Amino acid sequence: AQSVTQLDSQVPVFEEAPVELRCNYSSSVSVYLFWYVQYPNQGLQLLLKYLSGSTLVESINGFEAEFNKSQTSFHLRKPSVHISDTAEYFCAVKGTGANNLFFGTGTRLTVIP
Amino acid sequence: SQTIHQWPATLVQPVGSPLSLECTVEGTSNPNLYWYRQAAGRGLQLLFYSVGIGQISSEVPQNLSASRPQDRQFILSSKKLLLSDSGFYLCAWTPRRWRVNTEAFFGQGTRLTVV
Repeated sequence: AQSVTQLDSQVPVFEEAPVELRCNYSSSVSVYLFWYVQYPNQGLQLLLKYLSGSTLVESINGFEAEFNKSQTSFHLRKPSVHISDTAEYFCAVKGTGANNLFFGTGTRLTVIP
Repeated sequence: SQTIHQWPATLVQPVGSPLSLECTVEGTSNPNLYWYRQAAGRGLQLLFYSVGIGQISSEVPQNLSASRPQDRQFILSSKKLLLSDSGFYLCAWTPRRWRVNTEAFFGQGTRLTVV
């Protein structure tokens, strides 16, 4: 079975500062990893995903995440955050043979002006 | 292109009343369909998923049920709501054969408040 741990429930950070949102997963099989973002009262939108190949994946709005198999981690980073990045971020894992996405409990990122 | 519709967007219901939330998908056939609940401070919890008409898998014991009367329709129901049923409910779909270059697509959610 797969599971996902997001250790930080809330992360406040000043505008233009760097941020890292942590995600660790456990799985007995190969996995696909995802980060989703949720803006207030909206559904989830895919931010980026790791499927195979390069362990560093990037989104179009400056976020990146690195798949680390030995540490079973998929931390999300951004070197300089904007006010508009304020949202809740969910890490998710899917086993290669599964039909389900398993989500972490989410990290609420608040960017302070 | 594929779209997913979920309604209503918000709902306030008294304890003990019934519930029916509907989700429909357009632009694809034979999708896998999912209901998630997001409770305050508890992240996203998978409630039900379905791989076909009439096929429902329940992930957690609860006061809710799901049905899939048509290929692209997924309904979340309750006969008698509890206060603990309050939360943000999200419907999602994935292609039947979930290939490596696809993702899960989410509706806009329904905020349910049981009073």
